Amino acid sequence: QSALTQPPSASGSPGQSVTISCTGTTSGDYKYVSWYQQHPGKVPRLIIFEVSKRPSGVPDRFSGSYSGNTASLTVSGLRAEDEAAYYCFSYIGNNEGVFGGGTKLTVL
Amino acid sequence: EVQLVESGGGLVQPGGSLRLSCAASGFTVSHNYMSWVRQAPGKGLEWVSIIFSGGDSFYADSVKGRFTLSRQNFDNTLDLQMNSLRPEDTAVYYCVRAYCSSAGCYPWYFDLWGQGTLVTVSS
Repeated sequence: QSALTQPPSASGSPGQSVTISCTGTTSGDYKYVSWYQQHPGKVPRLIIFEVSKRPSGVPDRFSGSYSGNTASLTVSGLRAEDEAAYYCFSYIGNNEGVFGGGTKLTVL
Repeated sequence: EVQLVESGGGLVQPGGSLRLSCAASGFTVSHNYMSWVRQAPGKGLEWVSIIFSGGDSFYADSVKGRFTLSRQNFDNTLDLQMNSLRPEDTAVYYCVRAYCSSAGCYPWYFDLWGQGTLVTVSS
């Protein structure tokens, strides 16, 4: 069973950039990666799809990339409102998908 | 208004059954890819099931054989029948619509989420 590994936590100061990784535990095609932001007590929000595309309304401070078996989410120009949990998700074949364990981002 | 509203959650004993419903408004369920995603208290997200616009449904290994996803076109709803429930099924269950753009619909990207319904499996 494929799994996606994320660091449990990340942090940065306002204005800085922070990158969150999402590593697949088995070799495969992880290009169908998406990222979700979830504030405490709130519903998740799609912020990146197909590795690096942003839905309408998502600031360009959020960017995604992919190399090897690792997808990454970069948040640039950190703001207080970026403090949230971030989850990666990937289609892993056989009509199944899997979420990463989530990363809690703290803005110092 | 485009929205999803879940219902049917509650407390159920281990081994019991529960049927969750998701009412969609502002769009047609049968024209979209729809999923259920759950989140155990204080834990991360877990994909549960998907139904394609053509009607086929698929499941995570953790619920395969116990959960059944169906849709009712006449009232634009989605149902998740959950049988043989276990304590580890305790979670908030979200009904989710896949993202669509002018380029098409993407079954594995989730852009519209309901507020969720809590299922508690406990004796």
